[in-house]
Amino acid sequence: DGGITQSPKYLFRKEGQNVTLSCEQNLNHDAMYWYRQDPGQGLRLIYYSQIVNDFQKGDIAEGYSVSREKKESFPLTVTSAQKNPTAFYLCASSEGNTIYFGEGSWLTVV
Amino acid sequence: SQQGEEDPQALSIQEGENATMNCSYKTSINNLQWYRQNSGRGLVHLILIRSNEREKHSGRLRVTLDTSKKSSSLLITASRAADTASYFCATVLSIGYSTLTFGKGTMLLVSP
Repeated sequence: DGGITQSPKYLFRKEGQNVTLSCEQNLNHDAMYWYRQDPGQGLRLIYYSQIVNDFQKGDIAEGYSVSREKKESFPLTVTSAQKNPTAFYLCASSEGNTIYFGEGSWLTVV
Repeated sequence: SQQGEEDPQALSIQEGENATMNCSYKTSINNLQWYRQNSGRGLVHLILIRSNEREKHSGRLRVTLDTSKKSSSLLITASRAADTASYFCATVLSIGYSTLTFGKGTMLLVSP
């Protein structure tokens, strides 16, 4: 089936560790995005990529890094520099004006 | 601050009733979109309305856009328990390349 696959669904991170969230899409979309959602809040844009080998910072990029080596993959690394990483992370891709979302990954710092 | 702000923050109704959610925004837009999110899941696109449109329908959904007031409304008619979810508006600005900017959402609870 076509869609966006995020993994893992649940992830626990110890203080000081980097973790990487995976995002894969088989929709052949050029643009991909990472959003963060805190409880009861809207989505805030972390990074986005309009094309392979190119990406741009969003509104809250500090403490995060991404890569876009392949069209179908856009992994997000949450670094130890991110002071409050516990949140729900959503990956998305777009064609035209419509964004398609993955099912999200829950990251908890323990 | 966020471009879109939904109102109310939470809405509780009975099955069969209509649900109306509102969204206000600050700057000129190219289009406005509504998304739905079930608890702990990704968002699903519902409907898009362009800045030169005033009303659109999709099944039980009706969206209006008033660019003079910088506001939009989403009406869900004959609500069902399965409509229980959070609903977000998102805007695409009219100038340059713009990513979607989301509001904080309206949490809708439809009771049987």
